[in-house]
Amino acid sequence: GQNIDQPTEMTATEGAIVQINCTYQTSGFNGLFWYQQHAGEAPTFLSYNVLDGLEEKGRFSSFLSRSKGYSYLLLKELQMKDSASYLCAEDPPIGNTPLVFGKGTRLSVIA
Amino acid sequence: NAGVTQTPKFQVLKTGQSMTLQCAQDMNHEYMSWYRQDPGMGLRLIHYSVGAGITDQGEVPNGYNVSRSTTEDFPLRLLSAAPSQTSVYFCASSYGASRSYNEQFFGPGTRLTVL
Repeated sequence: GQNIDQPTEMTATEGAIVQINCTYQTSGFNGLFWYQQHAGEAPTFLSYNVLDGLEEKGRFSSFLSRSKGYSYLLLKELQMKDSASYLCAEDPPIGNTPLVFGKGTRLSVIA
Repeated sequence: NAGVTQTPKFQVLKTGQSMTLQCAQDMNHEYMSWYRQDPGMGLRLIHYSVGAGITDQGEVPNGYNVSRSTTEDFPLRLLSAAPSQTSVYFCASSYGASRSYNEQFFGPGTRLTVL
């Protein structure tokens, strides 16, 4: 996870939009994952980007730019239940190795 | 399908004790991994396996052993527990080479405290 950088904490208001950024230094990888992890629970899959551009899934969208070395997760119409940690993870170029995770961003949604 | 299961959910050990954390999956996944998660450190890879009989070290392997005698099971052994091994341990599995991307499915975690 030392090549992946995410903000440690963010706070946003219910109903608003928030963007969580992830920057990385690896020169090549298969793709980039976003996972959601509620306190005391296991991470769960949110999205995967292999091509540059925006992937939209309901209220959540994820963006990747390989040339600029960054990704972001966009959460719209925030709800209290979106309070969680969001983990960015690289799918390494060596196909047999597991994901490499960033340290995660803890998002607090307030009323 | 039960998915990825882990036992126990909670465990308290004394320094120097040994124990095995169990992990099983019923999805016929090739790849299995163990991570530990500590506050401010994110998920760090301990050991992983790309198939039965094959294991390899991750970022933080010291103090842990693994084996993979079957596709389904991937136990993690703590040889002589130390307070630094107090953590939450997650087991994960994924399809492996048969799929185009490596989505990992996580177990519920084992919360380990070493006194």
